[in-house]
Amino acid sequence: QVQLVESGGGVVQPGRSLRLSCAASGFTFNSHGMHWVRQAPGKGLEWVAVLSYDGTHKFYADSVKGRFTISRDNSKNTLYLQMNNLRAEDTAIYYCAKDILAYTSSTGPDYWGQGTLVTVSS
Amino acid sequence: QSVPTQPPSSSASPGESARLTCTLPSDINVAHYNIYWYQQKPGSPPRFLLYYYSDSDKGQGSGVPSRFSGSKDASGNAGILVISGLQSEDEADYYCMIWPSDAWVFGGGTKLTVL
Repeated sequence: QVQLVESGGGVVQPGRSLRLSCAASGFTFNSHGMHWVRQAPGKGLEWVAVLSYDGTHKFYADSVKGRFTISRDNSKNTLYLQMNNLRAEDTAIYYCAKDILAYTSSTGPDYWGQGTLVTVSS
Repeated sequence: QSVPTQPPSSSASPGESARLTCTLPSDINVAHYNIYWYQQKPGSPPRFLLYYYSDSDKGQGSGVPSRFSGSKDASGNAGILVISGLQSEDEADYYCMIWPSDAWVFGGGTKLTVL
């Protein structure tokens, strides 16, 4: 069965950096695009970034463009999100999720991890 | 980025049908877009329900009952999620999602209450 396990969250001061990881299993990781989606406390879902199966296509939300970088290591079945220059408004649960279809630049996500909480506070 | 609009709340009684809307901005035509729908219950990650483009191009999430279905309202420029035979367990937040251009965008979500 598909499993996505996020890690790397925690409390960080404004302006600092954090790297999230998402360990994937139960599907052919190198065939599927992968997403990061976040949810601030008590708020709705906000899509953050997507990376194509082969790493050639990356797209970001305007709110994180230039500060966050999505990447993947297909040899380790792992997705990453490097978050720099963090702000208080980046405080959220961060979910990774897999694309529905294989071998596309991006489709919507189907399976989601349980999320990791990032708190940006001084 | 063009954000779809969802009513903040909706309610219906058990056994009835709920019709949730996802209205697209006027500069994008719903006829040209896949509409994705997600359900989220408190303390849990979102669950993929379905995507809908047309009656011949749609997909259901794994294990999602057929009483969840999608459609479009061209006159209202909206995607529609219909939940028939409402059950108490359907009480949740529902989000739509689209790809208008170079980014995915969620609607603000609708909190569905089963009375």
